[in-house]
Amino acid sequence: SQELEQSPQSLIVQEGKNLTINCTSSKTLYGLYWYKQKYGEGLIFLMMLQKGGEEKSHEKITAKLDEKKQQSSLHITASQPSHAGIYLCGADRLSTGNQFYFGTGTSLTVIP
Amino acid sequence: NAGVTQTPKFQVLKTGQSMTLQCAQDMNHEYMSWYRQDPGMGLRLIHYSVGAGITDQGEVPNGYNVSRSTTEDFPLRLLSAAPSQTSVYFCASRDRVTTGELFFGEGSRLTVL
Repeated sequence: SQELEQSPQSLIVQEGKNLTINCTSSKTLYGLYWYKQKYGEGLIFLMMLQKGGEEKSHEKITAKLDEKKQQSSLHITASQPSHAGIYLCGADRLSTGNQFYFGTGTSLTVIP
Repeated sequence: NAGVTQTPKFQVLKTGQSMTLQCAQDMNHEYMSWYRQDPGMGLRLIHYSVGAGITDQGEVPNGYNVSRSTTEDFPLRLLSAAPSQTSVYFCASRDRVTTGELFFGEGSRLTVL
């Protein structure tokens, strides 16, 4: 079963608009990772959040982890065509310890 | 610094054929893993390894074999390819010492006819 649910599945925005992608877990997270994948390429690490309430920013992308550590959001301010791609959240499956699993991904299209 | 290198990038197989996807990393990471990516399914873990000589199954291991004879290499073998194995495959190594970040190869697109 998929333990990390991402929403929305896809998003089409006009350049310059803000947007938010959500990642929800049924269990407490002990580390939540955000990755970006450009179409047809490998994944690139964006950020990792570990503490409840933690917030990190890189350029125009901000990620937050809620206090209960079960939900994370990724916010992009003033989107650009370079932000287009698939965004995936990922975490360790604590029941096995060594398995890192991903959400289903959010496909972002930015229209110039 | 090459990072994670996967070969081949593209491959077409006939049902029943076998092949090996190669993966090598030069970051001295103990942890390596293979994922497959299918539309609407995200990335699913096939097999992983926490060090040379140690491998374990992920979510979707059936039809795939792995071995880890060195820290650097983690090949994925398809013993008898099936159309259901048509997918994009990603190898990753993980820095478990500092950030926990996964480093990915560029992917291998496999089509089984």
